[in-house]
Amino acid sequence: QSALTQPASVSGSPGQSVAISCTGTSSDIGYYDYVSWYQQQPGKAPKLMIYDVTNRPSEIPSRFSGSKSGNTASLTISGLQAEDEAFYYCSSFTTSATVVFGGGTKVTVL
Amino acid sequence: QVTLRESGPALVNPTQTLTLTCSFSGFSLTTLGMRVSWIRQPPGKALEWLARIDWDDDRVYRTSLQTRLTISKDTSEDQVVLTLTNVDPVDTATYYCAQSRAGVLYAFDVWGQGTKVTVSS
Repeated sequence: QSALTQPASVSGSPGQSVAISCTGTSSDIGYYDYVSWYQQQPGKAPKLMIYDVTNRPSEIPSRFSGSKSGNTASLTISGLQAEDEAFYYCSSFTTSATVVFGGGTKVTVL
Repeated sequence: QVTLRESGPALVNPTQTLTLTCSFSGFSLTTLGMRVSWIRQPPGKALEWLARIDWDDDRVYRTSLQTRLTISKDTSEDQVVLTLTNVDPVDTATYYCAQSRAGVLYAFDVWGQGTKVTVSS
């Protein structure tokens, strides 16, 4: 059950767009459309941002969007804002009926 | 409003058994499509899924820890309990419980605030 692969960090200026990739295998991301993304601020619990690849909970701003191609999923933040600076984690359901997380990506707003 | 709260010892000796309780409100684990999971995060590291229990008592465990983990529910008390046997310092982490529900079954919709556990003698 290897962790999904995410870049350690991405950065962008306010107003720019950034994308975070999340690479898995044909047994997780490539098999199911059950990828979700979480934002974690320092010292806080994670917060659900995207579920089932592209769906946003109602309270999440539309500048957050998700996509998937093959074994790789992506989270895009359009119109980056200062409050978006945080760690982001992807996760996927697997063919073993378990869940695997990515290693996390630090988003820095320059 | 759905809320979850984790509780348990802050310090555990190596080789002992860790017992954590997730107390929740705003939903019932007898309702079709409800699920509670446990996730942990070692200091400065990534999230790690541990186990889940469903409304129909289906239980699934992290493969690498399945011999040490047990998850159970008490629907009369609205609680889910996780036990981890034979703990080691590598089990030091913040432990979270989280809810999933029908329509968002494969994601963790609402999280508790987490409880910090240190394994040390």
